Amino acid sequence: DAGITQSPRYKITETGRQVTLMCHQTWSHSYMFWYRQDLGHGLRLIYYSAAADITDKGEVPDGYVVSRSKTENFPLTLESATRSQTSVYFCASNVASYNEQFFGPGTRLTVL
Amino acid sequence: DAKTTQPPSMDCAEGRAANLPCNHSTISGNEYVYWYRQIHSQGPQYIIHGLKNNETNEMASLIITEDRKSSTLILPHATLRDTAVYYCIVRVANNNDMRFGAGTRLTVKP
Repeated sequence: DAGITQSPRYKITETGRQVTLMCHQTWSHSYMFWYRQDLGHGLRLIYYSAAADITDKGEVPDGYVVSRSKTENFPLTLESATRSQTSVYFCASNVASYNEQFFGPGTRLTVL
Repeated sequence: DAKTTQPPSMDCAEGRAANLPCNHSTISGNEYVYWYRQIHSQGPQYIIHGLKNNETNEMASLIITEDRKSSTLILPHATLRDTAVYYCIVRVANNNDMRFGAGTRLTVKP
């Protein structure tokens, strides 16, 4: 199906483990984004990418690593998960920076 | 540190217009006003955006004051499915760092 998908939808891990959240879009959008949303709060930008092999930090990048080897994929890695990274993670994409962003369904991550 | 101020919650009767206010008194001349909404547990959904002029699309209307220090999102005939958190965001068009505040939780009641 066309659109933006995230996997897994739910993940439980332990402190110190490495976790990778996947994001895939079928529109060939240039821009892709990762946000986190803590309980009861708005979204905060972690990283974004303007094109393959181009990434940049957002508001809260510490503890996260991203890569973008292909236009359609934008994985987010927590190299050593901490409890403070328990959150819902949303991926988004758009054609150009001034356009509307299309969001995925989210991944609910719990770090024990 | 969102640049907008929104009421934390509002109620609206089904079928009536929902008017959601947003204050952005420090908005710059090249900053747009964007509105998104987030229905429970889903990813945010784009609604509308504007710079100076009022805008309308199939979902809503956006009214921006002449001094651009505030705006109102209007859902003309609210339905129960419009119950969501509505976010007002100001940003320069080519700035990818979109800052979401706490938003307004709109509850549409039968």
